[in-house]
Amino acid sequence: EAGVTQSPTHLIKTRGQQATLRCSPISGHTSVYWYQQALGLGLQFLLWYDEGEERNRGNFPPRFSGRQFPNYSSELNVNALELEDSALYLCASSLDTGSDTQYFGPGTRLTVL
Amino acid sequence: DQQVKQNSPSLSVQEGRISILNCDYTNSMFDYFLWYKKYPAEGPTFLISISSIKDKNEDGRFTVFLNKSAKHLSLHIVPSQPGDSAVYFCAATFAGGTSYGKLTFGQGTILTVHP
Repeated sequence: EAGVTQSPTHLIKTRGQQATLRCSPISGHTSVYWYQQALGLGLQFLLWYDEGEERNRGNFPPRFSGRQFPNYSSELNVNALELEDSALYLCASSLDTGSDTQYFGPGTRLTVL
Repeated sequence: DQQVKQNSPSLSVQEGRISILNCDYTNSMFDYFLWYKKYPAEGPTFLISISSIKDKNEDGRFTVFLNKSAKHLSLHIVPSQPGDSAVYFCAATFAGGTSYGKLTFGQGTILTVHP
């Protein structure tokens, strides 16, 4: 069974640009979560999508947004990139909503120059 | 506000011995706890979880203990193997309010198992 996949593996952007990160959940999983791991910091919850709807978001500005498609894959968009957005962005999926085990993908390393 | 804390940044253990990783939490609403293992530049790998209705859960070499009164959980790895060397994160969640769907992670503990 394929795990959570993310693309691209690495992404280099300049300040002010927009970045789009993609995630495909484990087959059968309907919930997708996004986390940010900045250098020296822990994993911070960004967003949760379930059945195409945003269900919860962490303490991040509105320029972090995303969506979930009918096939449950998801996109994270970061607008007006800032240097401190450089981080590993992790996507996770779960079979059920709420308090369920989340399985993580390999991440996308975003570097903002 | 660090609701989940792993106070030991690192732990060094000899191969074959027990590794004990600790985690404390402050939010009494948390009702589901997980441990993940992570290598640099990779995503976390799920190891084991425990619901707040239990105080122990085992899976092979991994056992998680939960002490709700002390708001403390621990992960025991027996016997430890060099391949266990990684960063270990504990995480907690509950299905309610702003925590719904959100895992709150500790800062991680670097485990090194020496041959």
